[in-house]
Amino acid sequence: DGGITQSPKYLFRKEGQNVTLSCEQNLNHDAMYWYRQDPGQGLRLIYYSQIVNDFQKGDIAEGYSVSREKKESFPLTVTSAQKNPTAFYLCASRGQGIAYEQYFGPGTRLTVT
Amino acid sequence: GQNIDQPTEMTATEGAIVQINCTYQTSGFNGLFWYQQHAGEAPTFLSYNVLDGLEEKGRFSSFLSRSKGYSYLLLKELQMKDSASYLCAASGAGSYQLTFGKGTKLSVIP
Repeated sequence: DGGITQSPKYLFRKEGQNVTLSCEQNLNHDAMYWYRQDPGQGLRLIYYSQIVNDFQKGDIAEGYSVSREKKESFPLTVTSAQKNPTAFYLCASRGQGIAYEQYFGPGTRLTVT
Repeated sequence: GQNIDQPTEMTATEGAIVQINCTYQTSGFNGLFWYQQHAGEAPTFLSYNVLDGLEEKGRFSSFLSRSKGYSYLLLKELQMKDSASYLCAASGAGSYQLTFGKGTKLSVIP
C-alpha cells in the first residue's frame, strides 16, 4: 500500500541530546515537508524539500536540520539547540501540481525532559 | 505575509448542520484546503477550492470567495465521529507550501 510512515510514534529523550525522526514515503512524491504542532496551535512549517538534495527552511527552522539524499526519505534531526522540542511532529508529501493535497504521516510525539 | 483565521471551538448537535468559517490573507493565492484531524492523529484531506463557489462531497461541502478572502466548510447530518479539529490552509502564489490556520475544534453532542 502507498503511504507515508513515521517512526517511532512516541519518542522520549533527555535534554541536550540530538534526536532524529524518520519519514519515508512510497508515493513517488517529489515534495516533502516537516511540521510541528503544539496544543491549540496550527501546523507550523519547519523544513521542506521539493527535490532530492535540496531543501528550504520553513517558518521555524532554528534548532532543526534535515537531509534529502533519497526521494523516499526526509529525516528530521531535532538538535539540542531547539529550545522547546517537546511537540507532535508531522511529515507530509505531495505530488506535482498546485491542486495536489499534502498527505500526512501518522506523526511522532516527541517528549524531551 | 500570510494569515489564516478560523474560530477556535464550536459545538453542534448530532444530526444538525454546522458551518466553519475561515478568512485568509496571502501573498498571491493558489487554492484553499480543508483538513480534518482527530486528536493525536494525522490530518486527512477533505477538500480543495481554487475557483469561487461551492464544492460538494457527500455530507461535506466547501465554499470559496476569492474576492473576500473567505471560505467555509459545511458539515451536514452531523455524526459523533465528526468531532475533530478542522484545519483551513491556503496555498500562496507559485508555492507548494501551505499556511495553516490554528484549527477549529468541533464537538458534536447527542
